[in-house]
Amino acid sequence: NAGVTQTPKFQVLKTGQSMTLQCAQDMNHNSMYWYRQDPGMGLRLIYYSASEGTTDKGEVPNGYNVSRLNKREFSLRLESAAPSQTSVYFCASSEVGLFPPPGYTFGSGTRLTVV
Amino acid sequence: SQKIEQNSEALNIQEGKTATLTCNYTNYSPAYLQWYRQDPGRGPVFLLLIRENEKEKRKERLKVTFDTTLKQSLFHITASQPADSATYLCALDVLSGGFKTIFGAGTRLFVKA
Repeated sequence: NAGVTQTPKFQVLKTGQSMTLQCAQDMNHNSMYWYRQDPGMGLRLIYYSASEGTTDKGEVPNGYNVSRLNKREFSLRLESAAPSQTSVYFCASSEVGLFPPPGYTFGSGTRLTVV
Repeated sequence: SQKIEQNSEALNIQEGKTATLTCNYTNYSPAYLQWYRQDPGRGPVFLLLIRENEKEKRKERLKVTFDTTLKQSLFHITASQPADSATYLCALDVLSGGFKTIFGAGTRLFVKA
């Protein structure tokens, strides 16, 4: 089925450990995004990639890095996890240059706990 | 300050009734407003988008209104069903060096049979 695939679905890390969240989309979208979702708050943009070869910071980039590996794949790395990074992480993709914009397609999320 | 607000209290309604969810915002001038559905443990799913110059948009049992004077969008589900139970998110698309999307925290809807 077409869509956005994220791995892993669940992860528990100890403070200071590192990990990479993987995301792949098969809709040939140019733009990909990483969001985090915390209780009582809206989705907040961490990083995005408007097109292959480019990445930009979003609203809450501190403590994260990203790699746009190719058009399909966009990974999020936590170099030294902190308890404040406990959250649910969503990858999304969209097509750009269309008016109105067509909305985002989200993955099913990664639930990360940092202890 | 800029804010987007959705009712944090859950909305409980009886099957067959119309559910109405509210999205209010301050200090934004959105070009578009989107609504998403999110089920527990899943990612948001895009439902509808309405432009700033549109007053109303419909899709099957869904209706969205957008009042840029009141800075408010209403999301209606007519003839609601238990399967409509989910969290509904609104999101503003604002032009800020390219489009920027700001999400509300969502309102949980429970439809009782």
